[in-house]
Amino acid sequence: AQSVSQHNHHVILSEAASLELGCNYSYGGTVNLFWYVQYPGQHLQLLLKYFSGDPLVKGIKGFEAEFIKSKFSFNLRKPSVQWSDTAEYFCAVNANDYKLSFGAGTTVTVRA
Amino acid sequence: GAVVSQHPSRVICKSGTSVKIECRSLDFQATTMFWYRQFPKQSLMLMATSNEGSKATYEQGVEKDKFLINHASLTLSTLTVTSAHPEDSSFYICSAREVSGAADTQYFGPGTRLTVL
Repeated sequence: AQSVSQHNHHVILSEAASLELGCNYSYGGTVNLFWYVQYPGQHLQLLLKYFSGDPLVKGIKGFEAEFIKSKFSFNLRKPSVQWSDTAEYFCAVNANDYKLSFGAGTTVTVRA
Repeated sequence: GAVVSQHPSRVICKSGTSVKIECRSLDFQATTMFWYRQFPKQSLMLMATSNEGSKATYEQGVEKDKFLINHASLTLSTLTVTSAHPEDSSFYICSAREVSGAADTQYFGPGTRLTVL
């Protein structure tokens, strides 16, 4: 079974700072990769996903993620965060059984 | 993106009673739906996979007789927590799987907060 590691438990940064959240997975075969966001009091929303093709994926709200197969990584980035980006971010992976394995999540707090 | 709804959003019940939670895919058909539990400040834990027209498959450690799942149509799955106890209090989230070409994505419902007194 695959596992997903998110390195940062809690990230605190100021508005306009750049954000990068790490995600590594352990599975040797073909994977589909996702980042979900959960804003306070709201449900999980899909930020972006990677299935194939260009390893640099652009999502909603200015987020992007890069799939580096050799590093088993799918890090999430945003060049300039806003206060409204305060949320919980989850990396998720599915392999050939279409079940999602989630990372533990990273809480991002953006200070105005 | 695709929309998934859950009902109710919040329920409080007495110990020993059963509670039914509905999950609907509103603008697409889903042969597969999933049920998760989320504990405070933690990630989602997959409980079971709900398959339209067949039995659900449960993850290890999840009691199938306690958490009854029915997926009677391509847009509706229900989770019934039977004989609920305080330790069943949790946030239950469903997702629906949309398969479009090579893309295979789960869309999540808003969750149901269950409190068992």
